[in-house]
Amino acid sequence: GENVEQHPSTLSVQEGDSAVIKCTYSDSASNYFPWYKQELGKRPQLIIDIRSNVGEKKDQRIAVTLNKTAKHFSLHITETQPEDSAVYFCAARGGQNFVFGPGTRLSVLP
Amino acid sequence: DSGVTQTPKHLITATGQRVTLRCSPRSGDLSVYWYQQSLDQGLQFLIQYYNGEERAKGNILERFSAQQFPDLHSELNLSSLELGDSALYFCASNQRGRDQPQHFGDGTRLSIL
Repeated sequence: GENVEQHPSTLSVQEGDSAVIKCTYSDSASNYFPWYKQELGKRPQLIIDIRSNVGEKKDQRIAVTLNKTAKHFSLHITETQPEDSAVYFCAARGGQNFVFGPGTRLSVLP
Repeated sequence: DSGVTQTPKHLITATGQRVTLRCSPRSGDLSVYWYQQSLDQGLQFLIQYYNGEERAKGNILERFSAQQFPDLHSELNLSSLELGDSALYFCASNQRGRDQPQHFGDGTRLSIL
């Protein structure tokens, strides 16, 4: 079955800097890759997603890139703000269910 | 508001007891997924239903069971509860299709005393 790895597990950046979180997946049949942001005690919220027929997608300060050959995808956040502090989860969908990475705790320091 | 409704928001019970968590998916969504999230942990996939039928099973204990009803709401039953079952339980739903995002409910926080 699918296996998703995510790095780093924790990330601290200064406000205004960029943050990059990387995920790798194992199942070449996976074709859909969402990213979720989860604040403490709250539900995961979809922030951006990418499908396998696209290499890059951007939404304001957030972008996701996908390399199907290498089977990895990355989340890029530019001009980070304190409200970006949260846990970020990547996921991959190949079969019936989604497989989530273990999460990255992002702290944006003022 | 994601459109996914979970009840109750909080549950406090004792070891050995049985509880039922309820989820109503977004209007039009046929798939329901259940996840367990222990403190500071990731999302552990438990089980998925599509239009009333079980479609995928994850790391769901034999003490746990679920079903999806004709009106598409789903229930997760947890029995013989242990201290380690204390967690946030999330339900998510999505539309048919492999490339449709999941939308999560606000979760049920289960505390076992």
